[in-house]
Amino acid sequence: DGGITQSPKYLFRKEGQNVTLSCEQNLNHDAMYWYRQDPGQGLRLIYYSQIVNDFQKGDIAEGYSVSREKKESFPLTVTSAQKNPTAFYLCASRTGVGTEAFFGQGTRLTVV
Amino acid sequence: AQSVTQLGSHVSVSEGALVLLRCNYSSSVPPYLFWYVQYPNQGLQLLLKYTSAATLVKGINGFEAEFKKSETSFHLTKPSAHMSDAAEYFCAVTSGGATNKLIFGTGTLLAVQP
Repeated sequence: DGGITQSPKYLFRKEGQNVTLSCEQNLNHDAMYWYRQDPGQGLRLIYYSQIVNDFQKGDIAEGYSVSREKKESFPLTVTSAQKNPTAFYLCASRTGVGTEAFFGQGTRLTVV
Repeated sequence: AQSVTQLGSHVSVSEGALVLLRCNYSSSVPPYLFWYVQYPNQGLQLLLKYTSAATLVKGINGFEAEFKKSETSFHLTKPSAHMSDAAEYFCAVTSGGATNKLIFGTGTLLAVQP
């Protein structure tokens, strides 16, 4: 079945550590996105990529990094520079302009 | 710049009552509009989308939305609420522009009372 897979579903990180969230899609979509979700704030865009080897910062990119070496994969690294990383992270993909996004099941990151 | 505003972060209705969730958008170009639903600890699922083909859009689970350009609105409705409709609902907008970003509202949490 086609879809988007995020792993792990739950992730715990110690302060000062970097951690990488995985996002893989087999929908053959060109565009991929990372959103952060906090209660009452909706979905805020972290990074997005419209094509392999290219990505742009979203509204809250500070403390995060991404790569897009393959069409299927768009991993997100939460660095130690992100001061408040505890949140629910959602990955999405789209075929192109004006189309709907398909979402993964999310990763809940908790700093301990 | 594009944006969406969802009026009412929490809405409560009785089972069988009309559901109305409000969404207003801002866009300098013709928009594409979407409604998504999210159940706890899950990703978002598309309910319906407006892509200029018809102003009244029907979606899954009995939901529909009407695009009103004069009011810059895209409100979501369902004639009769069911307990299973309890979830968070998000309105989103994008344009056909080069950036191709999908911008979400802050969400409306729908509670359905028995």
